[in-house]
This record gives sequence, structure tokens and C-alpha cells, in this order.
Amino acid sequence: DARVTQTPRHKVTEMGQEVTMRCQPILGHNTVFWYRQTMMQGLELLAYFRNRAPLDDSGMPKDRFSAEMPDATLATLKIQPSEPRDSAVYFCASGLRLANTGELFFGEGSRLTVL
Amino acid sequence: DQQVKQNSPSLSVQEGRISILNCDYTNSMFDYFLWYKKYPAEGPTFLISISSIKDKNEDGRFTVFLNKSAKHLSLHIVPSQPGDSAVYFCAASASGGGANNLFFGTGTRLTVIP
Repeated sequence: DARVTQTPRHKVTEMGQEVTMRCQPILGHNTVFWYRQTMMQGLELLAYFRNRAPLDDSGMPKDRFSAEMPDATLATLKIQPSEPRDSAVYFCASGLRLANTGELFFGEGSRLTVL
Repeated sequence: DQQVKQNSPSLSVQEGRISILNCDYTNSMFDYFLWYKKYPAEGPTFLISISSIKDKNEDGRFTVFLNKSAKHLSLHIVPSQPGDSAVYFCAASASGGGANNLFFGTGTRLTVIP
């Protein structure tokens, strides 16, 4: 059963600490997204990659967030230093650019709490 | 600026009745629209989609209607079941579908009362 896998599922950390979230997209998917869910904005795009190349990271605070795809099976989202306002659920999603439906498959999310 | 808007944060419906969830968008370049369902502690899951060349798409109990002139779409669930209780997100993309960036609304929490 193909699915997007995210780790960690939950993370509690103190302000100023580095946080790294990882995502394994569905094998064969060539597009990977990072979204953040907040009460006010719903699901907002942070960054996305196609064929491992970054296409758009305009949604990320550049001074503290970074996203990479070291290989086709791993995407990472790093926050350094973390702040309480970063507390949210972070979702990774993957899809296939040539698919007809445009459907994205989401992981279960990483819930981050920054104290 | 929110390009996809779901103005009703919540909706309660009796089991067996129709649920209608609404969504408005502002970007006329959007040409593909999707609905996702999300249960607590899970990721959103795809429910149904519609291309801008259509005005209706049906899949079992779920029907999505698109009114391009009004920049409005709606999701109808008939009949509603308690298992449909979830948060529903409307999403839109540009450039012909495929895995492009989706712009999401803030979600509507549907509660189906047994």
C-alpha cells in the first residue's frame, strides 16, 4: 500500500532549537510538497520540488526555514532556530506531474510544538 | 491573500440529509478544483475533483458543481452519513491539473448527526 511517510509524528522542542522533519514520498512520484496547517490560513504551501529541483519556496521564512531533497526518496524541512509561532502541523505530499487528476497524496503530518 | 475561501467554518447536518459545502475562488487562472477530506490526526485524503471544462462531476454520494462565472464551487453529499464527519478542504490549481501546487481554503468542519 503506497503512502507518504513522515517523521517524526510529534515533536516538542524549546525555542531556539533546530528541528528537522523528514518525508518519504510515494515511489515514482516526481513532485513533493511541504504544507503547514494553521487555524487562520488552512493549508499553506511552504515549498515544493519537481524531480528533486526546488520550484517554489516563497512560502517559507528564508531566514529560518530550509527544504531539500537529497535524493528521490527523501525530502527534509528544517527550522533553525525554531520559534513558538512555528508550532503547527506540517504535511508532506507527493504527486505525479503527468497525472490527469492532479491529486496529491498526503502524509499523516508532523505536529510541532515549540515552547 | 486567500485565493480560495471557505466562508463556513462548520456545518451540522442530520444523517440521511444533504450536506452542501461551499467554496469561492478569486484567481481566474485556476482550471482544476479538488475536495479533500481530513480526519483528526490524519493527512488530507482526496475525495473528488473537477476540471474547469466541466460544470459537474459525480462519484457515488459525492457531487461537485462548478460555476465559473461566479467563481464558485460546491460539494454535495447525499445522503450524509456519520462517517462523513470530517474537515473538508477545497483546493484549486492552475496549468491543467497534474501535480501542481494546490491552493487550499481554510476548511469546513462537517458534523453529521445520527
